[in-house]
Amino acid sequence: SQTIHQWPATLVQPVGSPLSLECTVEGTSNPNLYWYRQAAGRGLQLLFYSVGIGQISSEVPQNLSASRPQDRQFILSSKKLLLSDSGFYLCAWSVRSTEAFFGQGTRLTVV
Amino acid sequence: GEDVEQSLFLSVREGDSSVINCTYTDSSSTYLYWYKQEPGAGLQLLTYIFSNMDMKQDQRLTVLLNKKDKHLSLRIADTQTGDSAIYFCAESTTGNTPLVFGKGTRLSVIA
Repeated sequence: SQTIHQWPATLVQPVGSPLSLECTVEGTSNPNLYWYRQAAGRGLQLLFYSVGIGQISSEVPQNLSASRPQDRQFILSSKKLLLSDSGFYLCAWSVRSTEAFFGQGTRLTVV
Repeated sequence: GEDVEQSLFLSVREGDSSVINCTYTDSSSTYLYWYKQEPGAGLQLLTYIFSNMDMKQDQRLTVLLNKKDKHLSLRIADTQTGDSAIYFCAESTTGNTPLVFGKGTRLSVIA
């Protein structure tokens, strides 16, 4: 069966520090991968999605970036965090445009 | 672009039925989904309906789709306190495009 792992679960980082969140999927090949952000009390904002290794689509211009070094690995990064980067980050996968399956999320607090 | 709209809040008494509504704009939607998010967790797929169906029932959950009006609803019968969560409506089309999510409806169940 397919599983998705996302870590860490919580993270507190100072303003200006770098960020690396990792997501891996097991049990499937060539999945579509997604990074979403959920600010407090708000809906889901799609940040990045990838349909294959090295293929990244950015939905929102900001100081975040994403990479897909392996088929089932998706990494969200920042060189310098801003206060506004605080939020709940969710990784998800799907097979083409069918239902998406989500990780448990990372609560990021930038202080 | 595509848009999915939901009311933000719904409050019901335990044992009553809950109806969460959603409207979407993309007439080429192929699947429509309902996700549940409990506090501090990722999104869990509850149910989905294919666009050529008008109703789907799964235990306490009933999904109704009015394709002409682009209106989707989720009815939860005999609502319990454990049903308190944020419910997201989402739609997808064919190909590799990401799911489009609504902002979520926060359901509060009063004992």
